[in-house]
Amino acid sequence: GNSVTQMEGPVTLSEEAFLTINCTYTATGYPSLFWYVQYPGEGLQLLLKATKADDKGSNKGFEATYRKETTSFHLEKGSVQVSDSAVYFCALSDRWDSSASKIIFGSGTRLSIRP
Amino acid sequence: EAQVTQNPRYLITVTGKKLTVTCSQNMNHEYMSWYRQDPGLGLRQIYYSMNVEVTDKGDVPEGYKVSRKEKRNFPLILESPSPNQTSLYFCASSLSWGGGDTQYFGPGTRLTVL
Repeated sequence: GNSVTQMEGPVTLSEEAFLTINCTYTATGYPSLFWYVQYPGEGLQLLLKATKADDKGSNKGFEATYRKETTSFHLEKGSVQVSDSAVYFCALSDRWDSSASKIIFGSGTRLSIRP
Repeated sequence: EAQVTQNPRYLITVTGKKLTVTCSQNMNHEYMSWYRQDPGLGLRQIYYSMNVEVTDKGDVPEGYKVSRKEKRNFPLILESPSPNQTSLYFCASSLSWGGGDTQYFGPGTRLTVL
């Protein structure tokens, strides 16, 4: 079945550092890929998404490119801010997936940014 | 304001006492689902619904029930809660089941079963 593996946390960086959070996936079909962010005490919200190979999703300075050849969707940001401290989830959805769950989340990566 | 609401936000209960967590969305979304979030396990889908009166099991449905009598509401029912159901629960909705549709999440319900 489909699966998502993302970089274990926690990740701690200094303000203005470069961020990469790795995400790889396994899918039999042609899934859509997402990054969701969860700020403390809140529900998840969409950060960015890509629905086909080579698409790049971007939002709030974050970017991720759908790479079919490496089955990856790594999240990057050139200069992080304290306000980026949150938990980040990589997710996959495949409407043709015959397994029970048609949307799958990674285990989450906690990011902390030091001033 | 477009939103998904859940109630209650926090709940402490005892083993075996039936409870319901409500979920409502005001976006006319067809697809709704329930997840539980546990440390190190990410989000796991409990049940989902593709439309009114259409529900199906996710990855971890044991011990839970749902119903979808109206498009906007999707309550989660624990008939006989047990301590292993202590978790953070999220309801989510999306416009349809289109694969690329964005999920909109509620604020979460933190449940403790003693």
